[in-house]
Amino acid sequence: AQRVTQPEKLLSVFKGAPVELKCNYSYSGSPELFWYVQYSRQRLQLLLRHISRESIKGFTADLNKGETSFHLKKPFAQEEDSAMYYCALSSNAGNNRKLIWGLGTSLAVNP
Amino acid sequence: DAGVTQSPTHLIKTRGQQVTLRCSPKSGHDTVSWYQQALGQGPQFIFQYYEEEERQRGNFPDRFSGHQFPNYSSELNVNALLLGDSALYLCASSSTGGLFNSPLHFGNGTRLTVT
Repeated sequence: AQRVTQPEKLLSVFKGAPVELKCNYSYSGSPELFWYVQYSRQRLQLLLRHISRESIKGFTADLNKGETSFHLKKPFAQEEDSAMYYCALSSNAGNNRKLIWGLGTSLAVNP
Repeated sequence: DAGVTQSPTHLIKTRGQQVTLRCSPKSGHDTVSWYQQALGQGPQFIFQYYEEEERQRGNFPDRFSGHQFPNYSSELNVNALLLGDSALYLCASSSTGGLFNSPLHFGNGTRLTVT
């Protein structure tokens, strides 16, 4: 079954510490993966996608097909990174097209 | 560019009633998707509209229906409301031509409360 798992519901770190938000997926085809973020009182927005291979706001995510993971990392967390983060997988196989979402991880960066 | 706009922002309905939510996509986008987000949950895909047709559908009953207009705006209708329909309803637009491989732009959502 196609699934996205974010094992941590809440992650709390101190400012300046490294942060890693975990995302594992289950998908038989070639996945496209995204990280979306929702800051307090703001709309859900795209943070990054794996095919872009870019760093946004200091965050990176590498697709590891062997481990079926797409973990989001940042070497030095900032207070403004506190938000809800969602991992999503795009399935475009034939007639079964959809975007599958994880339950989200709430990141709290403490001063 | 106003981005994706949704109306109304909040709505309170009674069980058994019907509700219509509205969405205007971001300028240049042709595809609209609707999501239901219950408290503490990730977004759940309801359906997607492209070229005024429902192209994909998630695991939602027929009580949930929609429409897309020639100007790409969209409506979500829910009939025979249940208490469990209380949630934040998100509209997302994209220029994917019906696929899911382009980023979604979300609206602020409509908070529906069913009493």
